[in-house]
Amino acid sequence: AQTVTQSQPEMSVQEAETVTLSCTYDTSESNYYLFWYKQPPSRQMILVIRQEAYKQQNATENRFSVNFQKAAKSFSLKISDSQLGDTAMYFCAFGLQSNYKLTFGKGTLLTVNP
Amino acid sequence: DTAVSQTPKYLVTQMGNDKSIKCEQNLGHDTMYWYKQDSKKFLKIMFSYNNKELIINETVPNRFSPKSPDKAHLNLHINSLELGDSAVYFCASSQVLTSGRTDTQYFGPGTRLTVL
Repeated sequence: AQTVTQSQPEMSVQEAETVTLSCTYDTSESNYYLFWYKQPPSRQMILVIRQEAYKQQNATENRFSVNFQKAAKSFSLKISDSQLGDTAMYFCAFGLQSNYKLTFGKGTLLTVNP
Repeated sequence: DTAVSQTPKYLVTQMGNDKSIKCEQNLGHDTMYWYKQDSKKFLKIMFSYNNKELIINETVPNRFSPKSPDKAHLNLHINSLELGDSAVYFCASSQVLTSGRTDTQYFGPGTRLTVL
């Protein structure tokens, strides 16, 4: 079974600064996806970024980038130039390419302070 | 043009009642899911349907019964509601690619169920 661990229940950052959220996972599979989802107070689950395990290049989406270390089973999210609208719960998720379900971490509540 | 929609967004009901939550997606996806988010924000899959066929059924009480009338719809019916059923229920959808791999899941807005 796959497990996803987010060791930081809460984090805070000043507006315009950079913050990194940690995620580690455990699996014996080799073909999988990793995701970061954002859940603002509106409770909508919004895809932030995704990484396919076979790709060595780290995914980037505007101010969001990941540091994917496959051997270490680590998948951290870096948010640059933090904005107030980035305040949300961030979930790391693991999905097998052959499976139909996502396994989520417990989330990190990120607060961006003005 | 909402991609994944759920109704209702809020549901307040008494213990013992039966209720349904509906989900529709207009993304043309062939796979749909129900997830439960508890009071500690932990998200866990409950069910998944691919082309109207049940493919994932996690350890969920029999009081929960999903139904998929077609690929675009997945409903969740809950019998004899209990206090512990209070949670946010999310519907999601994705597409199985021609390679057989499953693609990114897109979530609905969630239904907050409160059982009194």
